[in-house]
Amino acid sequence: QIQLVQSGPELKKPGESVKISCKASGYTFTNYGIFWVKQAPGQGLQYMGWINTETVKPTYADDFKGRFVFFLETSASTAYLQINNLKNEDMATYLCAKGKRYGDYPFDYWGQGVMVTVSS
Amino acid sequence: DIVMTQSPSSLAVSTGETVTINCKSSQSLLYSGNQKNYLAWYQQKPGQSPELLIYWASTRQSGVPDRFIGSGSGTDFTLTISSVQAEDLAIYYCQQYYDSYTFGAGTKLDLK
Repeated sequence: QIQLVQSGPELKKPGESVKISCKASGYTFTNYGIFWVKQAPGQGLQYMGWINTETVKPTYADDFKGRFVFFLETSASTAYLQINNLKNEDMATYLCAKGKRYGDYPFDYWGQGVMVTVSS
Repeated sequence: DIVMTQSPSSLAVSTGETVTINCKSSQSLLYSGNQKNYLAWYQQKPGQSPELLIYWASTRQSGVPDRFIGSGSGTDFTLTISSVQAEDLAIYYCQQYYDSYTFGAGTKLDLK
């Protein structure tokens, strides 16, 4: 069955970096995009961007240009989100999701989310 | 950017009731090339990740009970849950995928 399994919770200080993984299984990794979504505590869902797993091209939503990096380890069917120079407002749960198809389609499978705590 | 506005932000229901959640987009989500509305609905239960319920405004994702009904076109959309069950208590989000992706703020469904 299709699964996206994310790495564990992270506790970081402001200014540090964090790398979150999203390991896919149960389907051909390069056939579907991986999307990233931020959910601040008690808040809704915010689209961060996506990475084309075939071309390895990342696309970032406007609010996530600069400190956020999407990349892949295709041989391991794993996508990564790295956040550099962490700020207090980055404290949130970060979710990965699989696109239903390439092109304009919604997200049909989701990871369990990674809680990132930023505290000095 | 397309803005998605959901209403109400929360509602309390009794099991067995029918509920309606509204979602309005700041521009049309209907693509003339294929006559499809690029609108999805997700359900997020407490402590869980979102799950896709509906896409193309009215197509149920595989395995979704038929009490979940999506309707609407253009800029106005509705998610109707008939005969609400206790397991339906969750936050419901609409999402447009016409131009990038945007989520609504969510509608929290509680028990009376």
